[in-house]
Amino acid sequence: AQSVTQPDIHITVSEGASLELRCNYSYGATPYLFWYVQSPGQGLQLLLKYFSGDTLVQGIKGFEAEFKRSQSSFNLRKPSVHWSDAAEYFCAVGADSSASKIIFGSGTRLSIRP
Amino acid sequence: GAVVSQHPSRVICKSGTSVKIECRSLDFQATTMFWYRQFPKQSLMLMATSNEGSKATYEQGVEKDKFLINHASLTLSTLTVTSAHPEDSSFYICSARDLSAGSEGYGYTFGSGTRLTVV
Repeated sequence: AQSVTQPDIHITVSEGASLELRCNYSYGATPYLFWYVQSPGQGLQLLLKYFSGDTLVQGIKGFEAEFKRSQSSFNLRKPSVHWSDAAEYFCAVGADSSASKIIFGSGTRLSIRP
Repeated sequence: GAVVSQHPSRVICKSGTSVKIECRSLDFQATTMFWYRQFPKQSLMLMATSNEGSKATYEQGVEKDKFLINHASLTLSTLTVTSAHPEDSSFYICSARDLSAGSEGYGYTFGSGTRLTVV
């Protein structure tokens, strides 16, 4: 069964600083990986996803993530954060099936220091 | 892009009553939808997989008789919380996959969620 670990519960970075949110997954086959963002009381918005091909994935809002099979990781990065990036970020993993569920990590709350 | 509409966004009900939450795919057909539950400051826990025209598949530990799921059409799944109690208060989110995503694979789109408060 697939699982996702986000080791950082809460991260605070200064506005304009770079950001990296960690995600490690466990899955026996090639995983489908996602990063979602959730603002308080809201649904989820997909930032980016990885299925195959180039291991560096570009997403919306200036985010990118790199799939590293050897490390079972899919870390999310942004070179310069904005105050509006403060939110909860979830990494998720799915399987190669048309009806497969996706499993979420515990989430990382991002705060931005002015 | 694919849009999933979830209603209501907020609902307050009395203990012992039932509440129905709707999840609609607005511009695509979804043979499969997913229902998640999220407690404050926690992650999303998958409750069940809703299958059009057949019974839902529940995750371990989720009470089937408490959380009734109906997926009567390719664009609508409903979650009914029966005989609700305060411990059922939570944020419920649905998700659907746009199969027309084709080679893009997982076109999962999430609804905006429903905040259920049982008093």
